[in-house]
Amino acid sequence: DTEVTQTPKHLVMGMTNKKSLKCEQHMGHRAMYWYKQKAKKPPELMFVYSYEKLSINESVPSRFSPECPNSSLLNLHLHALQPEDSALYLCASSQVGPAGAYEQYFGPGTRLTVT
Amino acid sequence: AQKVTQAQTEISVVEKEDVTLDCVYETRDTTYYLFWYKQPPSGELVFLIRRNSFDEQNEISGRYSWNFQKSTSSFNFTITASQVVDSAVYFCALNLRSQGNLIFGKGTKLSVKP
Repeated sequence: DTEVTQTPKHLVMGMTNKKSLKCEQHMGHRAMYWYKQKAKKPPELMFVYSYEKLSINESVPSRFSPECPNSSLLNLHLHALQPEDSALYLCASSQVGPAGAYEQYFGPGTRLTVT
Repeated sequence: AQKVTQAQTEISVVEKEDVTLDCVYETRDTTYYLFWYKQPPSGELVFLIRRNSFDEQNEISGRYSWNFQKSTSSFNFTITASQVVDSAVYFCALNLRSQGNLIFGKGTKLSVKP
């Protein structure tokens, strides 16, 4: 089973709202990732969790707050977002091993619109 | 500096044509990994293949084949007898043992027309 699920599929939120994106995988992977993808661009890495600990934060603004409650779940808490944060947010997971050695499996994404 | 170049922004072919998507990478690391991902209009990135820098063997999987040449730093992807369902954006990506993050090319949008 190579499935990563994400909810919701679509989200529209105002700039003062607080919302969360959820990601789940049951492949036994111990690395999980959040990416942001703008239209016609490649994905940009935001955060990496390894063994439920944050290992990489690519200088993401604090209005994005990741959380990894357990090895299967990854959340992204959103607060006071800006219209330019509208994008497709992708979650991915992979095995942990020699850095870069394993492929990442991606979820279908959450299409976020900030109004 | 590490970099992945996909020079073809968009390609349009007619069904049953063969098509090759180019990927050129730059790195000074001796251990690295190359990937191809497919992103259909639905948005999900689908993993297609991984190659490590020590394995230059080409690979064929059904209608898909990959040509890895270290001498030219290229990892090209060929679809034989293309089908409408192959329409998607295809990303080539590089990951370094020293770094651990995927470095994506800008992607090639393939349109296969019936």
